[in-house]
Amino acid sequence: EVQLVESGGGLVQPGGSLRLSCAASGFTFTRYWMSWVRQAPGKGLEWVANIKQDGTEKYYEDSVKGRFTISRDNAKNSLYLQMNSLRAEDTAVYYCARADIIVVRGVIIPWLDSWGQGTLVTVSS
Amino acid sequence: STELTQPPSVSVSPGQTARITCSGDALPLQYAFWYQHKPGQAPVLVMYKDYERPSGISERFFGSTSGTTVTLTISGVQAEDEADYYCQSADGSGTVVFGGGTKLTVL
Repeated sequence: EVQLVESGGGLVQPGGSLRLSCAASGFTFTRYWMSWVRQAPGKGLEWVANIKQDGTEKYYEDSVKGRFTISRDNAKNSLYLQMNSLRAEDTAVYYCARADIIVVRGVIIPWLDSWGQGTLVTVSS
Repeated sequence: STELTQPPSVSVSPGQTARITCSGDALPLQYAFWYQHKPGQAPVLVMYKDYERPSGISERFFGSTSGTTVTLTISGVQAEDEADYYCQSADGSGTVVFGGGTKLTVL
């Protein structure tokens, strides 16, 4: 059974930093892309970042580029999200998700076939 | 950038058929995916590559596509189907974009 367990959320002041972790089990971690998705209070799902199996390709949503860094440790079956320069609008539940991909006309299209329960990040003074 | 447009809400009575649409100019060139999200729970993939149903998803869920619109159809709606539904595709290679979400209410 696929299991994704996020941790590291909490209350942080604007401008501060936080590192989220996601422990993966029940599947071969090195075979999959991985993703972070968030949901702000009362809002819809918003994709945050993707990382390829070997970490050589990373993609970010525009509002987090330069502030957030996605990474993975394949030896520990773990995914991370380093969040710096946090803003109030980053307040959300952050979900870790396993991503499969399909390539259509040279375009890599990820989709998220398993999700964790999420961890809440609150940015407030 | 790719935009996916969904109706904010759909309401149906139990046993009826719910249709949730998702429109986007890029959809004819890319696949669409659908997620069900209930409050306090992890989102669940209910449809992939337009009309493929993951194992464990009820046969009452059906995906279709026509031009720039993809549709998630839920037949014989049950109370347990009440949730937010999101379509998803890609906004550039390697990225993900979600529609705004549709709240399905079972009357």
